[in-house]
Amino acid sequence: NAGVTQTPKFRVLKTGQSMTLLCAQDMNHEYMYWYRQDPGMGLRLIHYSVGEGTTAKGEVPDGYNVSRLKKQNFLLGLESAAPSQTSVYFCASSLRQYNEKLFFGSGTQLSVL
Amino acid sequence: AQSVTQLDSQVPVFEEAPVELRCNYSSSVSVYLFWYVQYPNQGLQLLLKYLSGSTLVKGINGFEAEFNKSQTSFHLRKPSVHISDTAEYFCAVSDDRGAQKLVFGQGTRLTINP
Repeated sequence: NAGVTQTPKFRVLKTGQSMTLLCAQDMNHEYMYWYRQDPGMGLRLIHYSVGEGTTAKGEVPDGYNVSRLKKQNFLLGLESAAPSQTSVYFCASSLRQYNEKLFFGSGTQLSVL
Repeated sequence: AQSVTQLDSQVPVFEEAPVELRCNYSSSVSVYLFWYVQYPNQGLQLLLKYLSGSTLVKGINGFEAEFNKSQTSFHLRKPSVHISDTAEYFCAVSDDRGAQKLVFGQGTRLTINP
C-alpha cells in the first residue's frame, strides 16, 4: 500500500528555473494539500484541493501554482524559482474533511541557488 | 483565525523519564486539535486527535494529550520515553467553520538521551 508518493525526493534549481513536483495518492482521498516546512516555522499551507478539478490558496501561495486534473494527483509548480523557495515540501491527503487524519508523503528537499 | 504556539522548540530528556510537550492555541470558535510526529527524514504521522467528548485523548506509542478549554491548551504527555521517541512533534488546530486546513505550530524537537 503506497499511500502518498512524492517525486522527486531532491532537487537543486538555479534562480529563475521552473519545475513541477508531483504528488500521487492511491487511497481515493478527496482532499489534497501542499505544505512547505522551514526551520522554526512548522508547516505552512501553500495550496489545497477539495476534489478533482478544484484548487484553492493557502497561507503562502505566492510564487506557486497547482493543478488537480486527476483525483489521485496534485501537482505543485514553481514558474520562476527564487532562493526564498528553498524548503522541504510535503504533500498530504485526507479522505474528506480537515478534521480527519492527514496522510503525508516523505517530502521533497528543494534548494534554489 | 486560529493560531498555535508550541512553547518549547527543544526538549531533552533521559530515557524512561516522563515528558510533556506544551501546546497552546487561540481561536474564536470551537476547535479540533491534533498532534503529529515526524521521525527523521520522514513525513508526518498522526499521533492523536481531539474532536469532541472526553478531554483526555490517548494515541499511539503510549502518548496522551489533555484538552483544557479554559487554558486553551492541548499538552502532549508520555510517562516513560524511549530512544525511539526521538522526533519532532507538531501540534495543529482546525476550527469548525469549514476552513479546509490545519494550522501547525512551530514544532518541538524531542531528544532522548540514554
